[in-house]
Amino acid sequence: DVKVTQSSRYLVKRTGEKVFLECVQDMDHENMFWYRQDPGLGLRLIYFSYDVKMKEKGDIPEGYSVSREKKERFSLILESASTNQTSMYLCASSFYTGDTGELFFGEGSRLTVL
Amino acid sequence: GENVEQHPSTLSVQEGDSAVIKCTYSDSASNYFPWYKQELGKGPQLIIDIRSNVGEKKDQRIAVTLNKTAKHFSLHITETQPEDSAVYFCAALRHNQGGKLIFGQGTELSVKP
Repeated sequence: DVKVTQSSRYLVKRTGEKVFLECVQDMDHENMFWYRQDPGLGLRLIYFSYDVKMKEKGDIPEGYSVSREKKERFSLILESASTNQTSMYLCASSFYTGDTGELFFGEGSRLTVL
Repeated sequence: GENVEQHPSTLSVQEGDSAVIKCTYSDSASNYFPWYKQELGKGPQLIIDIRSNVGEKKDQRIAVTLNKTAKHFSLHITETQPEDSAVYFCAALRHNQGGKLIFGQGTELSVKP
């Protein structure tokens, strides 16, 4: 079974802190994604990566950055956390097919910024 | 870019009844439409998908229909069971967008025994 593991299920941080959310997948997938989930807004794409050291902005990249130094690991970074970044963060991975490709999600990291 | 609208936001049905969730999309170039189910405390999981060259697809109690002309697609769940209670997301993908799905807002389905 494909497994996408997010390092922290729950985090509480203070405004201005630097936050790292880690994600590891074990199926050699090329694609990795970070989504943010908020009630009534669905899943919104923050950043995605097609390959090591490659990244592209999604729909809401402001206030976030990412790092992909190894194929299996994709990190989301909040340089200076703010209260409006309190949310559920979901990491996902998929094979690159150019067309379709099932997304495999982790269980999510719920971040609270005080 | 693509925009996906999903309705209703909440849906409550009695066990055994049918449930229908509807989505519309804006980009006529979108050609792949998956549905994901998210159970409490878990990440979303693919339950069914449909490509633009097909009008309907069925898998046991769930089915998806696609109307390309009207740019809308729907999820149908028949004979609902309590374990169908979850949040459901529709999504759309434009050709050669490398798996970059655009999701709807989600529907919280509650099946009452």
